[in-house]
Amino acid sequence: GNSVTQMEGPVTLSEEAFLTINCTYTATGYPSLFWYVQYPGEGLQLLLKATKADDKGSNKGFEATYRKETTSFHLEKGSVQVSDSAVYFCALNPSNTGKLIFGQGTTLQVKP
Amino acid sequence: GAVVSQHPSWVICKSGTSVKIECRSLDFQATTMFWYRQFPKQSLMLMATSNEGSKATYEQGVEKDKFLINHASLTLSTLTVTSAHPEDSSFYICSARDKQETQYFGPGTRLLVL
Repeated sequence: GNSVTQMEGPVTLSEEAFLTINCTYTATGYPSLFWYVQYPGEGLQLLLKATKADDKGSNKGFEATYRKETTSFHLEKGSVQVSDSAVYFCALNPSNTGKLIFGQGTTLQVKP
Repeated sequence: GAVVSQHPSWVICKSGTSVKIECRSLDFQATTMFWYRQFPKQSLMLMATSNEGSKATYEQGVEKDKFLINHASLTLSTLTVTSAHPEDSSFYICSARDKQETQYFGPGTRLLVL
């Protein structure tokens, strides 16, 4: 079946540290992959996406590359800020139906 | 970006009562909306797909008579939890898909059934 696994949190970093949040997936076919972010008290927002192998999604300094060979879509940012503190969800859309399958979410806490 | 609202943001009700949650796309039309459920420290689980003008399609294991969905217009979908019980307590989140097939999420509704 289709599933998404994220690294467990919380992840606590100091400002300007390098961030990696691991995400691996299991899917049939060729899914689209997404990272969503949820800031405190707000709804999920699309952070970035990739629709095919080797695509790199990027936004607000965050990047993730669709790696088919390792079935991964790890989220990275070179220098985090306190304002990046949020919950990050990795998700896949297995057949472009819009039915997103989410990972369990990873809480990021950035300290000044 | 596009905005999706949910109402109420939280609700407490007695066991056996019904609760209605609204999901609205504020500045775009959404022929398709989705309802998710999230348990503490767990991922969002898709419950059903709500299609304007037609019946919702439910995911396996979701009771359609328990969770009634009505997509009455291009900007409104409602989820009614009928005869709620404590095990229905959860965080319910909706999303609306625009014409570019981007999904926008509501802020969620926290339901507590006593």
